[in-house]
Amino acid sequence: DAGITQSPRHKVTETGTPVTLRCHQTENHRYMYWYRQDPGHGLRLIHYSYGVKDTDKGEVSDGYSVSRSKTEDFLLTLESATSSQTSVYFCAISDWGISYNSPLHFGNGTRLTVT
Amino acid sequence: AQTVTQSQPEMSVQEAETVTLSCTYDTSESDYYLFWYKQPPSRQMILVIRQEAYKQQNATENRFSVNFQKAAKSFSLKISDSQLGDAAMYFCAYSQGGSEKLVFGKGTKLTVNP
Repeated sequence: DAGITQSPRHKVTETGTPVTLRCHQTENHRYMYWYRQDPGHGLRLIHYSYGVKDTDKGEVSDGYSVSRSKTEDFLLTLESATSSQTSVYFCAISDWGISYNSPLHFGNGTRLTVT
Repeated sequence: AQTVTQSQPEMSVQEAETVTLSCTYDTSESDYYLFWYKQPPSRQMILVIRQEAYKQQNATENRFSVNFQKAAKSFSLKISDSQLGDAAMYFCAYSQGGSEKLVFGKGTKLTVNP
């Protein structure tokens, strides 16, 4: 593994509650990403960060916010969880970013169930 | 928007044989990167191989090689001497040059039969 820890590994929550997922890296990589994986959709980018306090939206960002106050931590928050956000969430890191052909390394994922 | 299509939801191969997984993509850009990722039952995504669009030579990593046909927008993955540990979901992915947004296909499930 590339020194990426996602927490929690599994979570069950109720509709309407806020949820925060954490991604922690020990690689000092500049770029961090949040993806979700759903059957029939592959992986889709939610948000990414290119430095402390620098973030940008991906293709499925509605209903999600992110924060990065330290290089090693990237938080994903579901402000008011909905059943459509039931998914497996993956964090990924990259040293110089995909645009500089720096590979992505993925965490082990968090399985989130919204009931 | 760029799209990535994997037309084979499932494939199977006999151990020690060769299998090819298909991927096509749609883009009007000339600067981009292509990737194949493997996801075993452990759920971890693992980079298998990558190709820069400006390189004509097909990428190779041990038993894994690609057939990159830029004009046809095709990027297939060939696995030689298949092993039981190759059984996994395989995802093709595209990123446009200068962008951090990686677009994935829906995946192909590969079964390796002993």
